Amino acid sequence: DSGVTQTPKHLITATGQRVTLRCSPRSGDLSVYWYQQSLDQGLQFLIQYYNGEERAKGNILERFSAQQFPDLHSELNLSSLELGDSALYFCASSVEVGGFNTGELFFGEGSRLTVL
Amino acid sequence: GESVGLHLPTLSVQEGDNSIINCAYSNSASDYFIWYKQESGKGPQFIIDIRSNMDKRQGQRVTVLLNKTVKHLSLQIAATQPGDSAVYFCAESYSTLTFGKGTMLLVSP
Repeated sequence: DSGVTQTPKHLITATGQRVTLRCSPRSGDLSVYWYQQSLDQGLQFLIQYYNGEERAKGNILERFSAQQFPDLHSELNLSSLELGDSALYFCASSVEVGGFNTGELFFGEGSRLTVL
Repeated sequence: GESVGLHLPTLSVQEGDNSIINCAYSNSASDYFIWYKQESGKGPQFIIDIRSNMDKRQGQRVTVLLNKTVKHLSLQIAATQPGDSAVYFCAESYSTLTFGKGTMLLVSP
């Protein structure tokens, strides 16, 4: 158990809908990362938050947004869903030392999104 | 468990063999490299890391080799066990952590 909790584990929805994925990082970790894993694209970095602020942005679509709340949990919002958004969405958290990521990310078990 | 990928390079070995998984990274400015293991239905799990000022690092049954000249990283697993069967990802860190596409390791008893 990595200590990172993601909900829901599975989600099935229709095209055009909006969903919210939730992540609770490990106790004490200030950084939260979101990754998308699909069959043909591997693990794609979406976005990182550190202590409530956006730290880095990757290949995140404009239809997607995220935030990190004062209690450090994070939510990833996916809207106007398309078939191609079907994937595993992972959240990870990490220890920051002096404001810098040590590199070791602790991953949750993912949320499997299926868009029909 | 759920499959994480059907189009990955696959390495098949016998139990007890040594396994070598290779990875080419893209950014010559990357200064930190990590190997992750992902079992079916689970999130990636940290195995071992190496900084760019090193060319070899050993852990328990695992060794990572870094060749910066050709931007190549390898993971060696000694005495491979069935429990090592998983998808292995290398990742490089510059400003963010970027993952490679992964290699599936299949260990036969």
